[in-house]
Amino acid sequence: EDKVVQSPLSLVVHEGDTVTLNCSYEVTNFRSLLWYKQEKKAPTFLFMLTSSGIEKKSGRLSSILDKKELFSILNITATQTGDSAVYLCAGTNFGNEKLTFGTGTRLTIIP
Amino acid sequence: DAGVIQSPRHEVTEMGQEVTLRCKPISGHDYLFWYRQTMMRGLELLIYFNNNVPIDDSGMPEDRFSAKMPNASFSTLKIQPSEPRDSAVYFCASSFSSWANTEAFFGQGTRLTVV
Repeated sequence: EDKVVQSPLSLVVHEGDTVTLNCSYEVTNFRSLLWYKQEKKAPTFLFMLTSSGIEKKSGRLSSILDKKELFSILNITATQTGDSAVYLCAGTNFGNEKLTFGTGTRLTIIP
Repeated sequence: DAGVIQSPRHEVTEMGQEVTLRCKPISGHDYLFWYRQTMMRGLELLIYFNNNVPIDDSGMPEDRFSAKMPNASFSTLKIQPSEPRDSAVYFCASSFSSWANTEAFFGQGTRLTVV
């Protein structure tokens, strides 16, 4: 059975700090790793990673995938209160479009 | 496009009652997913469809749960009879299959409370 594990489960930091969120996966016929941000409602898409070592970047957020060690990290620099959310990662496999989600990391930014 | 549309947004029902959740996927998307989210278990895939055909329903917890997709623009998730442990947020998501893109778009969810 496919499995995605995220750490830490929760994280509280001060505004301006840099955070690193971790995601490890065991996905059969691995295809891609996706990061989502969930505030109060629906998860919203952040990144999709398919190749090892290639950083994806969007503003203060960046992510990278290591397909040898089966993990991904999501970095957020100069955090702001608006970054407070649950961050979810999900793995997909070839042959279907199913996403297997981790339980998420709850990030809280203190002003 | 308005995105994935779910209804109702909130549902409170008594134990034993039938509950029907509805979803309209993004036009042109050929995959539709039903997820359930709880604090304890996170986001769990219940069932997904490809071109209106159920592909994998192994996540459906019990026979009390059923899902249908009569056409490309509509799907329902039914719980009959409902139980308090079914209380959760139910998300519908859709995606378009291609060799490169597996991003799924989520609806706003239905918060179900069974009392």
